[in-house]
Amino acid sequence: TQLLEQSPQFLSIQEGENLTVYCNSSSVFSSLQWYRQEPGEGPVLLVTVVTGGEVKKLKRLTFQFGDARKDSSLHITAAQTGDTGLYLCAGRMVSGTYKYIFGTGTRLKVLA
Amino acid sequence: DAGITQSPRHKVTETGTPVTLRCHQTENHRYMYWYRQDPGHGLRLIHYSYGVKDTDKGEVSDGYSVSRSKTEDFLLTLESATSSQTSVYFCAISDTSGANVLTFGAGSRLTVL
Repeated sequence: TQLLEQSPQFLSIQEGENLTVYCNSSSVFSSLQWYRQEPGEGPVLLVTVVTGGEVKKLKRLTFQFGDARKDSSLHITAAQTGDTGLYLCAGRMVSGTYKYIFGTGTRLKVLA
Repeated sequence: DAGITQSPRHKVTETGTPVTLRCHQTENHRYMYWYRQDPGHGLRLIHYSYGVKDTDKGEVSDGYSVSRSKTEDFLLTLESATSSQTSVYFCAISDTSGANVLTFGAGSRLTVL
């Protein structure tokens, strides 16, 4: 059973459209991260959110951590072909260890 | 580059043979992790280490063992490889500065025939 569920699993949109990816869990996390992965490479960190309700912006990407620290969302405004990739959320367990659990991933394809 | 190297990058082996994957870091980070990546599952934690000779199990540890005899090296061993262990394996490192950053290696693609 995956602790972190992402939706949608696949997303294909036209350039210029907006999209939102969701990351949900029944567990509470001390922090939540979003990574992006290109084919043949390891994931690369985009952002970390720590406080419940926190919102962070990275150019056209907006990240939000749920008030209860169990869920998060990634919103992309005016998607570009360069946004194509695999997006992964990851939660750091509250247990006090540095144990990170990843979501199931969302594969985004932005068409020109 | 963050100074994390995985070897081998590609390996094909037969069912029942032992396999060891190596992760080497030059960052002196305390935490090291092994994940496997399969379609539809994202990344799943196999084992992680929080110091030399200190390791703990992750979500999918059955059939895998790890060792960390020095800070810079974290070894993942499949004692008797099975076809279900065909996957891409990623090593990651993290320090305890509170930055909450996992830095990943380039991955090791393992095929078990």
